[in-house]
Amino acid sequence: SQTIHQWPATLVQPVGSPLSLECTVEGTSNPNLYWYRQAAGRGLQLLFYSVGIGQISSEVPQNLSASRPQDRQFILSSKKLLLSDSGFYLCAWSKAALYDYGYTFGSGTRLTVV
Amino acid sequence: AQSVTQLDSQVPVFEEAPVELRCNYSSSVSVYLFWYVQYPNQGLQLLLKYLSGSTLVESINGFEAEFNKSQTSFHLRKPSVHISDTAEYFCAVKNAGNMLTFGGGTRLMVKP
Repeated sequence: SQTIHQWPATLVQPVGSPLSLECTVEGTSNPNLYWYRQAAGRGLQLLFYSVGIGQISSEVPQNLSASRPQDRQFILSSKKLLLSDSGFYLCAWSKAALYDYGYTFGSGTRLTVV
Repeated sequence: AQSVTQLDSQVPVFEEAPVELRCNYSSSVSVYLFWYVQYPNQGLQLLLKYLSGSTLVESINGFEAEFNKSQTSFHLRKPSVHISDTAEYFCAVKNAGNMLTFGGGTRLMVKP
């Protein structure tokens, strides 16, 4: 069966520090991968998605970047965190070319920038 | 471009009362429709989905949603809610572009 792992679960980082959040998927190949953010009291904001290794699409220009160094690994990074980067970050995957398949989400990372 | 509107950001309801969470979408092509539930500090879980066939779909925990093409709606209902149903609910639509578009979410607050 397919599983998605996201870590860490919680993170407290000072302003100006770097960030690296990792997401891995098991049990499938060539998944589409997604990073979302939920700010407090707000809905889901799509940050990045990837349809293959090294292929990253950015939905919102900001202080963050994403990389996909391996087929089932998706990394969200920042060189210098801002207070506004605080939020709940969710990774998700879906099966490429299966339009009737929804997304499967990881358990999320709660990031607090102080 | 498609969009999803969840008309209520918060829905307070007493335990054992019925509830309806509203969802409307705009799309000019055939769509697939989903409801996700998010419990506090957790990821989203698929609650139910409409792909084709019967317009009424059900989940294992008593929720149901009805696809209404003429009204472009996919409202979520439960005849009797429990405290444990307290969560945020997201409606989403996917078309042949294979991207999910989410609504803004509805926070269901079940009170004893």
